[in-house]
Amino acid sequence: AQSVTQLGSHVSVSEGALVLLRCNYSSSVPPYLFWYVQYPNQGLQLLLKYTTGATLVKGINGFEAEFKKSETSFHLTKPSAHMSDAAEYFCAVSEFSGNQFYFGTGTSLTVIP
Amino acid sequence: ETGVTQSPTHLIKTRGQQVTLRCSSQSGHNTVSWYQQALGQGPQFIFQYYREEENGRGNFPPRFSGLQFPNYSSELNVNALELDDSALYLCASSLGRGRGELFFGEGSRLTVL
Repeated sequence: AQSVTQLGSHVSVSEGALVLLRCNYSSSVPPYLFWYVQYPNQGLQLLLKYTTGATLVKGINGFEAEFKKSETSFHLTKPSAHMSDAAEYFCAVSEFSGNQFYFGTGTSLTVIP
Repeated sequence: ETGVTQSPTHLIKTRGQQVTLRCSSQSGHNTVSWYQQALGQGPQFIFQYYREEENGRGNFPPRFSGLQFPNYSSELNVNALELDDSALYLCASSLGRGRGELFFGEGSRLTVL
């Protein structure tokens, strides 16, 4: 089975600072990788995804992530944090032939003014 | 284009009761997946329906059951509710089974007393 590890359940950054949220996965086959964001009392919204091709993926709201197969990682970054980025972020993985997504336990991002 | 809608948004039940949650998939999507998100956790896969047939199930007991209708809307039924069933239940629709991007509704918050 797949598994996803998100290091750091809570991350705090100052407004304008770099955001780095970590995600490592375990998979015996090439995975599809996703980052989702969840605002309070809402569902999950897709930020970005990696399926095939370029390993550096750009998403919405200035976020990007890089798939590193050798490190089994898919860390999420944003050069400059904005107050509106405060939310819960989930990394997820699915297999090419799979029908389910495996989610990490989430990282809560706080942006300090 | 309408997104994924879920009802009810909040509900309270007592142990032993039964509950039905409903989901309308995004226009054009033929696959619906259900996830359980306990407080402070990532979503856990319950099952998926593709063209009215169950297409995969997570590690949930048989008292969790589902249904998909010809218009691709779906229901999640939970019998004999337990306290641990208290969670946010998320419905996600996609086009085709497998690795398709999931589009989530805002969820149904179930509290079991």
